[in-house]
Amino acid sequence: GAVVSQHPSWVICKSGTSVKIECRSLDFQATTMFWYRQFPKQSLMLMATSNEGSKATYEQGVEKDKFLINHASLTLSTLTVTSAHPEDSSFYICSARDGDTVNQPQHFGDGTRLSIL
Amino acid sequence: QKEVEQDPGPLSVPEGAIVSLNCTYSNSAFQYFMWYRQYSRKGPELLMYTYSSGNKEDGRFTAQVDKSSKYISLFIRDSQPSDSATYLCAMNHYGNNRLAFGKGNQVVVIP
Repeated sequence: GAVVSQHPSWVICKSGTSVKIECRSLDFQATTMFWYRQFPKQSLMLMATSNEGSKATYEQGVEKDKFLINHASLTLSTLTVTSAHPEDSSFYICSARDGDTVNQPQHFGDGTRLSIL
Repeated sequence: QKEVEQDPGPLSVPEGAIVSLNCTYSNSAFQYFMWYRQYSRKGPELLMYTYSSGNKEDGRFTAQVDKSSKYISLFIRDSQPSDSATYLCAMNHYGNNRLAFGKGNQVVVIP
């Protein structure tokens, strides 16, 4: 149980393109989903917390107009990297919590490798 | 001082050996402790989740929490080459969504 699916797994696109990444909880409802960024050989860096039906909460230093998050249903959150540039190239990972309480662990998707040329 | 300290390794062990990983933390409010396994180019996979001091066993994995010492451990018995991965400890406290992660410990099990 507690499977999180992330799509696409790998994207290569030109500078200036907007890229949308989907995160789905397959067998549970996720009131809260999270978006992380991970650089090579480093730990995960939280970008934003996404709550179903409300605006996302962004971490300090993360541009909300650059990284648009939509959490329209209890099983789907999307991250759109707008006008992507080479410095946005990274590994983006979503997670979801099974249940409403903070004491439930987060389950992660398999990540999206974004390469901007 | 970082909230969570984890020696990044790498740690190389022969197949069949016991792998011992640990993290220390500074925030005594942390109540929920997790170990994740991450293979290269994949997302972290939840291995163990505990919220009380003591040991929790699941197959070849044992998670240990010592809240008085602010110290958690993960033991992998009879290690296999397929256990070669990066292991991340993570923790949070009630009322806080944010997970505090260790840097991750790269483990290599040599056949």
